[in-house]
Amino acid sequence: KNQVEQSPQSLIILEGKNCTLQCNYTVSPFSNLRWYKQDTGRGPVSLTIMTFSENTKSNGRYTATLDADTKQSSLHITASQLSDSASYICVVRGGSNDYKLSFGAGTTVTVRA
Amino acid sequence: DTEVTQTPKHLVMGMTNKKSLKCEQHMGHRAMYWYKQKAKKPPELMFVYSYEKLSINESVPSRFSPECPNSSLLNLHLHALQPEDSALYLCASSGGLAEGTDTQYFGPGTRLTVL
Repeated sequence: KNQVEQSPQSLIILEGKNCTLQCNYTVSPFSNLRWYKQDTGRGPVSLTIMTFSENTKSNGRYTATLDADTKQSSLHITASQLSDSASYICVVRGGSNDYKLSFGAGTTVTVRA
Repeated sequence: DTEVTQTPKHLVMGMTNKKSLKCEQHMGHRAMYWYKQKAKKPPELMFVYSYEKLSINESVPSRFSPECPNSSLLNLHLHALQPEDSALYLCASSGGLAEGTDTQYFGPGTRLTVL
């Protein structure tokens, strides 16, 4: 069964600090990996997408990395802001004919002033 | 315009009621999805429409009935729901099912409470 495991489950950081979220997956074959940000009670919003050949992708203060050999990804948030408080979900798509996405359970980030 | 809209934002219904959730996108996407998300859990796929035809039903109970009137609209008709069906219902769309790097754009969701 394709699985996506995220850690930590939750974390609290002070405004202005950095943090790194982890994602391990077993999805095979692999097509791409996305990080989504989901505010409470809202739909997920795509932050980054990486395919097999990409090992880093940035979107403003968000930087995602991918190691397709070890099937690990990370999302680094730099200089956190209060608006970064949300759930961050790692989502993996299998082979190109696989419509289904495998969702991680998410990491809840709380940024405090 | 990369927006998926959903109405209503909140819905409270009794177990004998019939209601509908609506989803709309104007990005020309040909694939549309319904997900159910319980608190602190990842979204669970319910239905997939491709070119206005139901492609996938993830063994969803018949009290949930999807409908795709045209390429921009997706409805979810609800009837005789149970309290455990209370959840955030998310609609998403993407260019097409076969697009490997295709992004699914999610709507804001409808928060459903079944009494």
